[in-house]
Amino acid sequence: NAGVTQTPKFRVLKTGQSMTLLCAQDMNHEYMYWYRQDPGMGLRLIHYSVGEGTTAKGEVPDGYNVSRLKKQNFLLGLESAAPSQTSVYFCASSYFRTGRTEAFFGQGTRLTVV
Amino acid sequence: AQTVTQSQPEMSVQEAETVTLSCTYDTSENNYYLFWYKQPPSRQMILVIRQEAYKQQNATENRFSVNFQKAAKSFSLKISDSQLGDTAMYFCAFMSEGGSEKLVFGKGTKLTVNP
Repeated sequence: NAGVTQTPKFRVLKTGQSMTLLCAQDMNHEYMYWYRQDPGMGLRLIHYSVGEGTTAKGEVPDGYNVSRLKKQNFLLGLESAAPSQTSVYFCASSYFRTGRTEAFFGQGTRLTVV
Repeated sequence: AQTVTQSQPEMSVQEAETVTLSCTYDTSENNYYLFWYKQPPSRQMILVIRQEAYKQQNATENRFSVNFQKAAKSFSLKISDSQLGDTAMYFCAFMSEGGSEKLVFGKGTKLTVNP
């Protein structure tokens, strides 16, 4: 099993450019999450989804949009990238609500906005 | 709002010895979950151990065990017989039973196991 796969692994963007990060899971999980990890700040939740066709805001949603058109995929979009969005982005998924079941993480996407 | 504090930015231990990583948290809730995640240089986040707050018994997973003190809001991780492969960042995390989906992470402790 591939588990949780993030595409791409690395990306450099210019300020104002747009991009989409793809997260795919093959475990038939209902819940999916996008986190960002900044130095010295741990991980913070950007957006999450509790099922196909649903999305919700997390702790730091500004500047990001998400879509969950298919159960196995969760897309994170940056419409107009800013240097403050330079970070490592992690996708995670779980069968049910994290806590009651384990969340599995992808390997992360290192994004640099110049 | 819940907060998670890891007061040790960096720690080191000799191979085969025991080390304890500290974590405290703040919440007004009674039911919640606590986690320790390991992040090696590969960046992969790996669940090490999980504790349900309503269970008084401390969780154990092979060489990893926790000391959960609910009244003190403390959740430390003990690693016994440390191995070189234990070198990683370790994050303590909290999640409430109800309400927000958010996993609240501490800032992490960088553990180095020396040969």
